[in-house]
Amino acid sequence: GAVVSQHPSRVICKSGTSVKIECRSLDFQATTMFWYRQFPKKSLMLMATSNEGSKATYEQGVEKDKFLINHASLTLSTLTVTSAHPEDSSFYICSAFWEGSNTEAFFGQGTRLTVV
Amino acid sequence: AQTVTQSQPEMSVQEAETVTLSCTYDTSESDYYLFWYKQPPSRQMILVIRQEAYKQQNATENRFSVNFQKAAKSFSLKISDSQLGDAAMYFCAYSAYNNNDMRFGAGTRLTVKP
Repeated sequence: GAVVSQHPSRVICKSGTSVKIECRSLDFQATTMFWYRQFPKKSLMLMATSNEGSKATYEQGVEKDKFLINHASLTLSTLTVTSAHPEDSSFYICSAFWEGSNTEAFFGQGTRLTVV
Repeated sequence: AQTVTQSQPEMSVQEAETVTLSCTYDTSESDYYLFWYKQPPSRQMILVIRQEAYKQQNATENRFSVNFQKAAKSFSLKISDSQLGDAAMYFCAYSAYNNNDMRFGAGTRLTVKP
């Protein structure tokens, strides 16, 4: 099956700094990627839809200036958490959609962000 | 907006027995997809089974099968001959036919007892 690689798997950063998370589709071109946030023992909450070559579409309540998304190529989307605060600590997961996959989404391994 | 509801936060099953996880959803669309994903402790999301709403036949993947009731907007997952490796969080998810962002239920934590 298709592989989506997410990096880093774990990151610790200081309050006020920014951290970038990468999501790569390794063996297919992903026209659309999605970013989710998962709190401990909770479900995945969709943050934004990332479309190659255009601006991301953010879900209601998600601060687009804090969570910057860039989808510069068909194989890479990045999520940058700017001016991170402890409340941004969470598990972030990306998924990629390939038109030939019959609507199956392929998920990255996730990134555990801890802001100290 | 589409919503997905999983009313069972936790379920437990004896090894080799059968367990059914419940899921209901709300949508005004006629064409859509439904999924069950498994999330083990590694947190990697693994697709268990998928159902296209236009198909009346229930999807089956080895020990996993669904009971899709479109009129009732119900989509339950049956796991037969449960194995220790089935222990995980299970998420029900919905995706519209022409929009691929998935909406997830709250999840059900499945414990398999040896």
